[in-house]
Amino acid sequence: GAVVSQHPSRVICKSGTSVKIECRSLDFQATTMFWYRQFPKKSLMLMATSNEGSKATYEQGVEKDKFLINHASLTLSTLTVTSAHPEDSSFYICSATPGRGNTGELFFGEGSRLTVL
Amino acid sequence: AQSVTQPDIHITVSEGASLELRCNYSYGATPYLFWYVQSPGQGLQLLLKYFSGDTLVQGIKGFEAEFKRSQSSFNLRKPSVHWSDAAEYFCAVAFTGGGNKLTFGTGTQLKVEL
Repeated sequence: GAVVSQHPSRVICKSGTSVKIECRSLDFQATTMFWYRQFPKKSLMLMATSNEGSKATYEQGVEKDKFLINHASLTLSTLTVTSAHPEDSSFYICSATPGRGNTGELFFGEGSRLTVL
Repeated sequence: AQSVTQPDIHITVSEGASLELRCNYSYGATPYLFWYVQSPGQGLQLLLKYFSGDTLVQGIKGFEAEFKRSQSSFNLRKPSVHWSDAAEYFCAVAFTGGGNKLTFGTGTQLKVEL
């Protein structure tokens, strides 16, 4: 199946710094990518939908100035956690799809664990 | 509001025993239905999905799920569980017109006793 890769898989940073997480589709072009956040022992919460070449669409309650999403190419979307604080510590997972509105062809990355000290 | 419910937070079964994980959804029409598995610290792997047609769908690793419209359910089953099946299982739905946006259930943690 198609492969989606995230980097880094683990990152530890100091409070107040910014952290960038990359999500790459390795063998297909992803017009749409999704960013999820997963709290310990909790389900995945959709944060935003990232469309190549346009602004991301954020879910209600997600601070777009806090979680900057850029989808500059068909194989790369980035999530930048700005001025990170300990409460931003979480497991962030991206998913990618090769088509718009093509429900079902959704592939997930391995996840990135962010720890803010 | 649209929602997905997995009533069982934890389930423990003996290796070789059968398994059923429950999933219910609340939606006015038939959604697209998925089951994913997540190993500790890992991403999600798709086990199976239902869009239309035969209500009994076969997936990878010997899993199957049955869509029951009357019960708004999409329960996951496996006839004989292996120790390697221990993981977190998520039911997810995509609602009509929502594209590929998935709404996840809260997950069921499966423990397998040897």
